[in-house]
Amino acid sequence: GIQVEQSPPDLILQEGANSTLRCNFSDSVNNLQWFHQNPWGQLINLFYIPSGTKQNGRLSATTVATERYSLLYISSSQTTDSGVYFCAVLVITSGSRLTFGEGTQLTVNP
Amino acid sequence: KAGVTQTPRYLIKTRGQQVTLSCSPISGHRSVSWYQQTPGQGLQFLFEYFSETQRNKGNFPGRFSGRQFSNSRSEMNVSTLELGDSALYLCASSLGVGTGELFFGEGSRLTVL
Repeated sequence: GIQVEQSPPDLILQEGANSTLRCNFSDSVNNLQWFHQNPWGQLINLFYIPSGTKQNGRLSATTVATERYSLLYISSSQTTDSGVYFCAVLVITSGSRLTFGEGTQLTVNP
Repeated sequence: KAGVTQTPRYLIKTRGQQVTLSCSPISGHRSVSWYQQTPGQGLQFLFEYFSETQRNKGNFPGRFSGRQFSNSRSEMNVSTLELGDSALYLCASSLGVGTGELFFGEGSRLTVL
């Protein structure tokens, strides 16, 4: 099956810093989503981005489908950005089955 | 509109018991999928339902089962609970199979003693 690798596994920042999270995938995908898991476990949708670039406030994402990677940018980080960020991909032949990466644990210190 | 609703949010069971978890999708969404999250295995796909039919199944033993009702609500059941079944169970809904964005509920956190 498709493999999804996220890097770095852990990231510690000072408030106000910028960061880039990377997601590599091993095959063509029909869907790619970025999530932030809050402390209570819920996966919060950040971006639905099978290709191209999107921005939402301090967050933006770019997926280069032909090169099989996606990047999540967080600018001017805040302590509330802390948590685990997941990349997940979907291959059409697998229905709505998302394959998740192992996540990036982000800690933003004040 | 309301998001994906999962109940119960927390539950504690003992080994050998069974448990049923419920998921109500976003209104208009007809596909419901289930995921298990554990510290050791990460997020793993359990199964997907659409139009009351299981469309896809992950690599889990037969103790894990599910169903979907005509209103798209879904339940999953785990029988003969084992300690390793302790996990966060997440439900996601989408418009259709392989169609568009998936949205997740808050999860049901199961502890097996």
